[in-house]
Amino acid sequence: GAVVSQHPSRVICKSGTSVKIECRSLDFQATTMFWYRQFPKQSLMLMATSNEGSKATYEQGVEKDKFLINHASLTLSTLTVTSAHPEDSSFYICSTRQGTTEAFFGQGTRLTVV
Amino acid sequence: DQQVKQNSPSLSVQEGRISILNCDYTNSMFDYFLWYKKYPAEGPTFLISISSIKDKNEDGRFTVFLNKSAKHLSLHIVPSQPGDSAVYFCAASGASNFGNEKLTFGTGTRLTIIP
Repeated sequence: GAVVSQHPSRVICKSGTSVKIECRSLDFQATTMFWYRQFPKQSLMLMATSNEGSKATYEQGVEKDKFLINHASLTLSTLTVTSAHPEDSSFYICSTRQGTTEAFFGQGTRLTVV
Repeated sequence: DQQVKQNSPSLSVQEGRISILNCDYTNSMFDYFLWYKKYPAEGPTFLISISSIKDKNEDGRFTVFLNKSAKHLSLHIVPSQPGDSAVYFCAASGASNFGNEKLTFGTGTRLTIIP
């Protein structure tokens, strides 16, 4: 299956700072990437869909100015959590579909804002 | 509005027996369904999927059943092994834009296999 690499796997940051999470597709060109967020013991909630070369599409209730998504190339999408606060602490996961019906996921990033 | 539901948050099964995980959905536009396995602090791993044109798909120890009229699917794992202990998510999507349709996930079921 497709390989999706997400970095960093874990990050701790101070409140008010920004954090960038990278998601790379290693063996295919990903025109679309999905960013999910998972709170403890809860489902994976789609935050936004990023499309290469165009603006991301955000789900209802997700602040686009807070969660900046960039998909500048076919192999890299980034999610930047701006001015992070403790309530942004969560597990963030990227995903892509390779033109098949499966979706492949990155390893996830555990963000802790202190 | 939870369009994909897994009503059992947890399930314990004896090793060697069958594990049955259930999933219900409400959106009739869903026509492709997937099961994922997830360990803590890791991304989900794909297990098995089924298209709405089928009612059963089997892959080794894993079988997924789909009942479209009831909007219900289930994952059977037999025989269950200790390594199967994880959280299992069902997911659904439409196919109107094949290849980049988003997935909607259920709330997950934590499966524990008892040795």
